Amino acid sequence: KQEVTQIPAALSVPEGENLVLNCSFTDSAIYNLQWFRQDPGKGLTSLLLIQSSQREQTSGRLNASLDKSSGRSTLYIAASQPGDSATYLCAVRNRSGGSYIPTFGRGTSLIVHP
Amino acid sequence: DVKVTQSSRYLVKRTGEKVFLECVQDMDHENMFWYRQDPGLGLRLIYFSYDVKMKEKGDIPEGYSVSREKKERFSLILESASTNQTSMYLCASTPGGINTEAFFGQGTRLTVV
Repeated sequence: KQEVTQIPAALSVPEGENLVLNCSFTDSAIYNLQWFRQDPGKGLTSLLLIQSSQREQTSGRLNASLDKSSGRSTLYIAASQPGDSATYLCAVRNRSGGSYIPTFGRGTSLIVHP
Repeated sequence: DVKVTQSSRYLVKRTGEKVFLECVQDMDHENMFWYRQDPGLGLRLIYFSYDVKMKEKGDIPEGYSVSREKKERFSLILESASTNQTSMYLCASTPGGINTEAFFGQGTRLTVV
């Protein structure tokens, strides 16, 4: 059974820092990995999707990398801002029966203070 | 833009009531999922469906059932609500195939009193 771990569970940094969030998974037979952002009391917003054949994806100040063989992904946030404060979740997709199931980590809660 | 819409943002129900949570997506996605999210436990999969009238149990199906009579709509049913079902419920959908993105609704915060 796939297990996804995110480290650290919480992070508090001053504005302007570059930071790295980590995601690891136990079953490397994934099809893709997706990073999400969740604001308090809200649903999940997709940030980046990396296919299993890709090494990284970039969107603005965000860069996600994937090392499938070692079961790891990192989300790099450049020049952090208070508006980046949220919980960040990663999800990997494996096959289960007739579908491809996203399995989630528990998230990293990020606070960026001015 | 893909839209996944959950029928309610907040619900308060009494113990023993039958509760329906509705989810509708507008992009003809094959796959739909129901998760619950609790502090310290993350998102846990309750049920999913990969086609109309098809359903599969996830990790925590006990106390829940689902219905998918039309492709765009996936309903989660609490047959007899209990206080331990107080949670945030999240619906997601994905197109068929493997190289696709998951899209989420805004969540329903259910409180059972």
